[in-house]
Amino acid sequence: QQQVKQSPQSLIVQKGGISIINCAYENTAFDYFPWYQQFPGKGPALLIAIRPDVSEKKEGRFTISFNKSAKQFSLHIMDSQPGDSATYFCAASVNYGQNFVFGPGTRLSVLP
Amino acid sequence: KAGVTQTPRYLIKTRGQQVTLSCSPISGHRSVSWYQQTPGQGLQFLFEYFSETQRNKGNFPGRFSGRQFSNSRSEMNVSTLELGDSALYLCASSLSGRVPDTQYFGPGTRLTVL
Repeated sequence: QQQVKQSPQSLIVQKGGISIINCAYENTAFDYFPWYQQFPGKGPALLIAIRPDVSEKKEGRFTISFNKSAKQFSLHIMDSQPGDSATYFCAASVNYGQNFVFGPGTRLSVLP
Repeated sequence: KAGVTQTPRYLIKTRGQQVTLSCSPISGHRSVSWYQQTPGQGLQFLFEYFSETQRNKGNFPGRFSGRQFSNSRSEMNVSTLELGDSALYLCASSLSGRVPDTQYFGPGTRLTVL
């Protein structure tokens, strides 16, 4: 029940395209859902986050869509760029803590 | 502002040995969390320290321990190393350890157990 599932495992998108990564959870106590971006040799970096009382949050080219009833949330990267090529992790926590449960990650490759 | 620093960056040990990893958080941050990252298990939360006290703990055996000093610097210790402990160990810091504070990750320490 503490798991966060993530798909796809890898994703290849053409430059300018839309990248979509999906996550699902079971624990209804989760109340904070961030997305992290990790480049090789670096630690993860917070990209965008959402709380379950909001259905969508947009920051620049990045949008989180949240479906509380389905217990699913997704990351959309609009106008994907080669510089977006990285591994993306969804995560969740309870009680607004930062001891996150992470999804297994999605390796995104954006072709020029 | 300097980011989260971790030392050493790379470490090679043999089974049965123990290891200590160090993390210096961003200045002013009082919460330090540790994560283990492996290809098989992904990113897993180890523990979080806030003001020198362990506030949260993940599901890892007692061989994994940590501490935090009064200047918020933190160390993580793994005793009796096993081959499966080979991983990237990531440290992250934030002001309070609570959202909406941003948690910043260091580059990690790559531990190889032979």
